[in-house]
Amino acid sequence: QVQLVQSGAEVKKPGASVRVSCKASGYTFTGYSVHWVRQAPGQGLEWMGWINPHSGGPNYAQKFQGRVTMTRDTSINTAYMELSRVRSDDTAVYYCARGGVIGQLGSFDLWGRGTLVTVSS
Amino acid sequence: SYVLTQPPSVSVAPGQTARITCGGTGIGSKSVHWYQQKPGQAPVLVVYDDRDRPSGIPERFSGSNFGNTATLTISRVEAGDEADYYCQVWDSSSDHPNYVFGTGTKVTVL
Repeated sequence: QVQLVQSGAEVKKPGASVRVSCKASGYTFTGYSVHWVRQAPGQGLEWMGWINPHSGGPNYAQKFQGRVTMTRDTSINTAYMELSRVRSDDTAVYYCARGGVIGQLGSFDLWGRGTLVTVSS
Repeated sequence: SYVLTQPPSVSVAPGQTARITCGGTGIGSKSVHWYQQKPGQAPVLVVYDDRDRPSGIPERFSGSNFGNTATLTISRVEAGDEADYYCQVWDSSSDHPNYVFGTGTKVTVL
């Protein structure tokens, strides 16, 4: 079954780091980009960046440069997104999504169910 | 940065046609993708590359893109189409290329 399975909800204090995982199955993990998108409560979708699972090379949205790190472990077909120095406005549902074939831009045709990250003191 | 503007809400009676616009400077030269998101669920791709449908998406969903406006059209609207809809493009016009999502449109079926 083609799917992305994300890790469970997290509660973090301001200033901490949070890592969300995204395990791919049913397709060739290294053949497609993996993107991260977040959605604050009652708000729209915000793209955070993507990783090339084949090379490991990331590409971050300017807003998150310096605070986000995207990595992958090809031995277990899993992508990770770590956000550091979290603030209350980082409270959101974080989604991973499959993008286009490596080397091509494309739409996001497969999404994880999302991981709620709550930042609260 | 590139901005995509959508109407906050669209209301439509069952069986009628809903049209959701996505405005952006020169959007006609970009590939536009559309997502449907129901409450508490992840987004689902309904149209990609302006007008193509993924397998499993009804033909009632169609797209167009010209000039400064892209449009998602839902024909013969059903109660199950009630959701938020987002457009998306890849913007390479700035020093920091990135994916951009529209502001989102809530479709209400009357």
